[in-house]
Amino acid sequence: GEDVEQSLFLSVREGDSSVINCTYTDSSSTYLYWYKQEPGAGLQLLTYIFSNMDMKQDQRLTVLLNKKDKHLSLRIADTQTGDSAIYFCAESNGSGGYQKVTFGTGTKLQVIP
Amino acid sequence: DADVTQTPRNRITKTGKRIMLECSQTKGHDRMYWYRQDPGLGLRLIYYSFDVKDINKGEISDGYSVSRQAQAKFSLSLESAIPNQTALYFCATSGRLAGGPGNEQFFGPGTRLTVL
Repeated sequence: GEDVEQSLFLSVREGDSSVINCTYTDSSSTYLYWYKQEPGAGLQLLTYIFSNMDMKQDQRLTVLLNKKDKHLSLRIADTQTGDSAIYFCAESNGSGGYQKVTFGTGTKLQVIP
Repeated sequence: DADVTQTPRNRITKTGKRIMLECSQTKGHDRMYWYRQDPGLGLRLIYYSFDVKDINKGEISDGYSVSRQAQAKFSLSLESAIPNQTALYFCATSGRLAGGPGNEQFFGPGTRLTVL
């Protein structure tokens, strides 16, 4: 079945860039997502990328997709203490009718002031 | 006001008790989901529903049941709670962002359930 893997923990200093990595196994993935979970809250969609793209930028966030290697990354520029959270990678293989969304284990980002 | 709400937010119960977790949404979405989150395991899908008459098992449905009382309400029941059902439970809905793909999910704040 589909599998999405992430490292469990990342620590960076405030002002540095953070790079959170994700690998997936489903070669038919159509969309890939990054969700953010702040303490005591549910997951919130940060950004998504279509599988025929290799990069998407949104303010401080840059998503890079290497479809050949099935590798997705999320770069956060100028990381702030408010970016401390758990970040989940997720993939789905279609739109419209139900297509299963598979979530990774989450990467806990700790930002050191 | 929150678009997806869950009650209760925290619950402690004993082994063998019946528990119901409730979820309501004001997003007007047809699709609703229940997940559980365990440390190091990410989110695992318990049940999902496309509409009031359509309910489907997820990857870990054993020991759980659901009821879709209305488009806006989806409840999760543990008929006889056991300690390994201690987890954080999330309800989610899905719809389509303007110009985006389907399956974007919107999550409630979660219910922390402890089974002693």
